[in-house]
Amino acid sequence: AQSVTQLDSHVSVSEGTPVLLRCNYSSSYSPSLFWYVQHPNKGLQLLLKYTSAATLVKGINGFEAEFKKSETSFHLTKPSAHMSDAAEYFCVLFNNQFYFGTGTSLTVIP
Amino acid sequence: GAVVSQHPSRVICKSGTSVKIECRSLDFQATTMFWYRQFPKQSLMLMATSNEGSKATYEQGVEKDKFLINHASLTLSTLTVTSAHPEDSSFYICSANRGDEKLFFGSGTQLSVL
Repeated sequence: AQSVTQLDSHVSVSEGTPVLLRCNYSSSYSPSLFWYVQHPNKGLQLLLKYTSAATLVKGINGFEAEFKKSETSFHLTKPSAHMSDAAEYFCVLFNNQFYFGTGTSLTVIP
Repeated sequence: GAVVSQHPSRVICKSGTSVKIECRSLDFQATTMFWYRQFPKQSLMLMATSNEGSKATYEQGVEKDKFLINHASLTLSTLTVTSAHPEDSSFYICSANRGDEKLFFGSGTQLSVL
């Protein structure tokens, strides 16, 4: 069975501090994994994706994620949060169909 | 947890035919549903916002006469791709707002137009 679990529904960080958004997955097969970001009244923007190449994936806006098969995790990180990073983040697994996490709302405190 | 059911998961149709995609919220009432389209290797583009009992709000560049959206009840929204053409081939994904601003997504519909 395929599934995605985002461990935190809300994360709050201070501007300039690191960001960690956690995602665990369950998949019978080698999955494709994505992180999307949604700003209010916008569509879902692709941050990065893992498709069985390098396990450390670099995305846009300084975000990166590491695929860890042993931990079935695909956590999203950024070294230094910016105010513009405040948004809803979705971890997504794709294996013939999409499996979305329930989202993590990131708040950045000035 | 809240579940959104989207059907069909995959459809193949001939050019010129119409295809209907259903999106149901199974255990909550969704006053607002959203329809997205994904092109390969790209982001999910918001096509329209569907509000129960009223006309959908389409994003700029989306043809409302081609992509008909109906939100007849608090648990069902449908997207009909009319007179489909090969360039309409894509993944279509719906999401539903539970009311506490949490979004829940369907599993997507892969449309292939021959």
